[in-house]
Amino acid sequence: DGGITQSPKYLFRKEGQNVTLSCEQNLNHDAMYWYRQDPGQGLRLIYYSQIVNDFQKGDIAEGYSVSREKKESFPLTVTSAQKNPTAFYLCASSSPSGTPDNSPLPFGNGTRLTVT
Amino acid sequence: AQTVTQSQPEMSVQEAETVTLSCTYDTSESDYYLFWYKQPPSRQMILVIRQEAYKQQNATENRFSVNFQKAAKSFSLKISDSQLGDAAMYFCAYRRRMIQGAQKLVFGQGTRLTINP
Repeated sequence: DGGITQSPKYLFRKEGQNVTLSCEQNLNHDAMYWYRQDPGQGLRLIYYSQIVNDFQKGDIAEGYSVSREKKESFPLTVTSAQKNPTAFYLCASSSPSGTPDNSPLPFGNGTRLTVT
Repeated sequence: AQTVTQSQPEMSVQEAETVTLSCTYDTSESDYYLFWYKQPPSRQMILVIRQEAYKQQNATENRFSVNFQKAAKSFSLKISDSQLGDAAMYFCAYRRRMIQGAQKLVFGQGTRLTINP
């Protein structure tokens, strides 16, 4: 079945360490997205990528970095510069062409990152 | 920039009753989409219903329907015959209508819905 896989489901790190969250999709989608979810704040866009080797900052990109070397993969690195990294992180994807543009974004099941 | 506001952090309803969740948004665009997503305790994001701004008819999906008021920029979700499985966090979301390019969603803060048996 096609879908988006995020791993791991739970991740624990010490303060000051960088950590990379994985997102893989086999939907042949061009665009991929990272969202952060905090209690009472909904989902906020961190970074997105429309094509391989290209990505743009979202609303809260500070302290994060991404890469898009393959169409299927869009890893997110939470750096030590991110002041409040503990959160739930969701990955999504979309295909700008060939699908109805009112289609909902499929999401992965998320990664819960805890930094202590 | 577009914003989405859900003014009800929490709502509760008796099983089999009807509940309405509120959502307002701000945009200068005339063509866009609106969505309601459900997030159960598993934290999976599940699409409940969608509305195209150019359609005047309110969308319905079984027990779920919306009241879309474009001039008022309001997009409420009505859940009829509430079931225990409807208990979840509900997010309202906005997206510009685009021919190509990234389909960025803007989310509201969410409303936690509790169903009382």
